[in-house]
Amino acid sequence: NAGVTQTPKFRVLKTGQSMTLLCAQDMNHEYMYWYRQDPGMGLRLIHYSVGEGTTAKGEVPDGYNVSRLKKQNFLLGLESAAPSQTSVYFCASRSNPGTRTYNEQFFGPGTRLTVL
Amino acid sequence: GQQLNQSPQSMFIQEGEDVSMNCTSSSIFNTWLWYKQEPGEGPVLLIALYKAGELTSNGRLTAQFGITRKDSFLNISASIPSDVGIYFCAGLNTGTASKLTFGTGTRLQVTL
Repeated sequence: NAGVTQTPKFRVLKTGQSMTLLCAQDMNHEYMYWYRQDPGMGLRLIHYSVGEGTTAKGEVPDGYNVSRLKKQNFLLGLESAAPSQTSVYFCASRSNPGTRTYNEQFFGPGTRLTVL
Repeated sequence: GQQLNQSPQSMFIQEGEDVSMNCTSSSIFNTWLWYKQEPGEGPVLLIALYKAGELTSNGRLTAQFGITRKDSFLNISASIPSDVGIYFCAGLNTGTASKLTFGTGTRLQVTL
């Protein structure tokens, strides 16, 4: 049981390049989330998904797209990277309703992205 | 977007001392979570609180869900060097896709 995993761990992009961050969870969780963490800003929600095939915007969705084609995977895409997207990106999944830990979110190790 | 106010922002303590930190919000939550984050790692869940007034322990950690539902507290007893990290509180309300609102974090340093 690996929990939440993220790939890659580090990436450097040039302005205008595109990339996809992959998040995978093996806990059969319905809900998944993408956050970014910036110094002094804490964690901010980018997009989230309440189940396979669904996505929704969070607090800071501009410049990002997401897809949830399989329940265990949640992809975050940057179509045209900008220096303002330099950040650490975290994926999380939430325990399913009806379980004892139903509101608890579990985080992956993060992807550190630098856009030059 | 809203962020929760955590205090203190940072703490420098000696090994063996007890630590207290708190988190306040302008709005109520029905769940409070406390996370710890170490450098280069993702946040790790420490304690979850589901009921106003609830007091929950996890080893040397004890957290409380404030009666007003607008605050929460975390205490660490007899601190050790591996307690070093940033501690985040997070609040949520069930029914909003469990979107977490995070605190600004408390950075804890432990000296020998």
